[in-house]
Amino acid sequence: KQEVTQIPAALSVPEGENLVLNCSFTDSAIYNLQWFRQDPGKGLTSLLLIQSSQREQTSGRLNASLDKSSGRSTLYIAASQPGDSATYLCAVRPSPGANSKLTFGKGITLSVRP
Amino acid sequence: GAGVSQSPSNKVTEKGKDVELRCDPISGHTALYWYRQSLGQGLEFLIYFQGNSAPDKSGLPSDRFSAERTGGSVSTLTIQRTQQEDSAVYLCASSYPDWSSTGANVLTFGAGSRLTVL
Repeated sequence: KQEVTQIPAALSVPEGENLVLNCSFTDSAIYNLQWFRQDPGKGLTSLLLIQSSQREQTSGRLNASLDKSSGRSTLYIAASQPGDSATYLCAVRPSPGANSKLTFGKGITLSVRP
Repeated sequence: GAGVSQSPSNKVTEKGKDVELRCDPISGHTALYWYRQSLGQGLEFLIYFQGNSAPDKSGLPSDRFSAERTGGSVSTLTIQRTQQEDSAVYLCASSYPDWSSTGANVLTFGAGSRLTVL
């Protein structure tokens, strides 16, 4: 059974700092990995999706990497801002297709101090 | 619509009552999912619908939980005889079908329905 772990559960950094959020998964046979952001009382917003054949994806100040063989992904946030404060979740999909269910980590709650 | 719409956004109910939660997916998204997010827990898969196919109910925690999807669009999740452990945020998501070339694997989530069972 796939397990996704995100440690630490919470992180507080000063504004402007570059930071890395970690995600690990036990079964390396994944199809893709997705990073989401969740603001308090809100749903999930997709940030980046990395296919298993890819090593990284970038969007603005965000960069997500994937090392499938070691079961790890990182989300790099450059020059953090207070508006980045949210919970960040990673999720893995085992196979192609909409019927393939995502397995989520519990998320990392990030607080960026002004 | 522009996004996945869920209602109610908040529901407080007494133990033993039945509740219905509604999800209106993005137009054209034939795949629809329900997830549950309990305090301090990750998202837990509940049920998946794809078009007119039989739903994947493998994540439903008990027979008190059921869901239906009418006309391949709106879905209703029903919890009968609610218990305190049912308190959670229930999230709905939708995506394009398997055969789509436009991002079948990118889920769009609604804002969720927060259920509190007293």
